[in-house]
Amino acid sequence: AQSVTQPDIHITVSEGASLELRCNYSYGATPYLFWYVQSPGQGLQLLLKYFSGDTLVQGIKGFEAEFKRSQSSFNLRKPSVHWSDAAEYFCAVGKAAGNKLTFGGGTRVLVKP
Amino acid sequence: DAGVTQSPTHLIKTRGQHVTLRCSPISGHKSVSWYQQVLGQGPQFIFQYYEKEERGRGNFPDRFSARQFPNYSSELNVNALLLGDSALYLCASRGRGEYEQYFGPGTRLTVT
Repeated sequence: AQSVTQPDIHITVSEGASLELRCNYSYGATPYLFWYVQSPGQGLQLLLKYFSGDTLVQGIKGFEAEFKRSQSSFNLRKPSVHWSDAAEYFCAVGKAAGNKLTFGGGTRVLVKP
Repeated sequence: DAGVTQSPTHLIKTRGQHVTLRCSPISGHKSVSWYQQVLGQGPQFIFQYYEKEERGRGNFPDRFSARQFPNYSSELNVNALLLGDSALYLCASRGRGEYEQYFGPGTRLTVT
């Protein structure tokens, strides 16, 4: 069975500082990996995805993520956060041919001025 | 183009009642999935429909059911509501040949 772990429940970062969110997955085959962002009371917005190829993927809003098969990780990074990046971030893994996404528990990011 | 739309936005029901939630996918998308997000947790997969057929079901009781219509919109039905059914219900659609899912804003269900 596939599973996703996001070890950090909350992260506080100063505006302008860098951000890294951790994601570890368990999946028996090549995973399809996603990062979504959710603002309070809202749905999920896709930030980026990884299917194959270059292990460093670029997404929207200046985010990037790196797939490391040896560590079963797909960590999300942003070099300089903005106050508008305060939200909850979810890592998810999906099957190649199926449609079920398995999500981690999320990491809530707070941005200090 | 419009994204995934869901109705209603908010809903308050009493234990034991029945509820129907609605979802319209992105135009051209034939796959719709439903997720339940309890406060403070990540979304949990409930159902997936493609071309009006159920293609996947999560670990939810039979009180939960869904269907997809010829226009690819979908309904999620929950019978005999329990307090624990209070959650944000998310609908997502996927285009043919794509793996990413696009989510709607959700329906916030409160059961009292």
